[in-house]
Amino acid sequence: AQSVSQHNHHVILSEAASLELGCNYSYGGTVNLFWYVQYPGQHLQLLLKYFSGDPLVKGIKGFEAEFIKSKFSFNLRKPSVQWSDTAEYFCAVNAGYGGSQGNLIFGKGTKLSVKP
Amino acid sequence: GAGVSQSPSNKVTEKGKDVELRCDPISGHTALYWYRQSLGQGLEFLIYFQGNSAPDKSGLPSDRFSAERTGGSVSTLTIQRTQQEDSAVYLCASSLDGGYSNQPQHFGDGTRLSIL
Repeated sequence: AQSVSQHNHHVILSEAASLELGCNYSYGGTVNLFWYVQYPGQHLQLLLKYFSGDPLVKGIKGFEAEFIKSKFSFNLRKPSVQWSDTAEYFCAVNAGYGGSQGNLIFGKGTKLSVKP
Repeated sequence: GAGVSQSPSNKVTEKGKDVELRCDPISGHTALYWYRQSLGQGLEFLIYFQGNSAPDKSGLPSDRFSAERTGGSVSTLTIQRTQQEDSAVYLCASSLDGGYSNQPQHFGDGTRLSIL
């Protein structure tokens, strides 16, 4: 069965620090990979996605993620975090073949707290 | 434009009662998903609709859970004889076409269900 692991439950950083959130998945076939963000009191929003092509994908608000197929990883990065990045971040995967129903398998999430 | 709308936003009910949760997807989105977000379990897939049919109900935790979708639009998730372990946030998401799993899913704000 597919699964997604996020290594950190809670990360606390100061503003301007660099961020890397780990995500590993287990699935033998082609996958689509996503990072979603949930700001306090808001709904889940898509941060970025990888389907194919360049394994380094850039998303909104200066976030990027790198797909490393050999490591089954899709880590999220940001060079310099801001207080407004305080949120919960979810990595998700679905089967990446045509005709798939597309339901997402989520990691348990990482809470990011940025101190001003 | 309008996003995914869910109602009610909060529901408190007594154990043993039935509840109905409603989801109004983005207009034109043919795929609709229900997920559950609970402490310790993260986000779990419940059921997927393509149009009015549900090709995959594998995530429904028991036969007390059912869902339907009418007119290719609004969906209701019904939980009969609620139990305390049903307490969670129930999230609905829609995407343009579930047959192409690289379509991003757009999430509603969720219904927070509390069983007393």
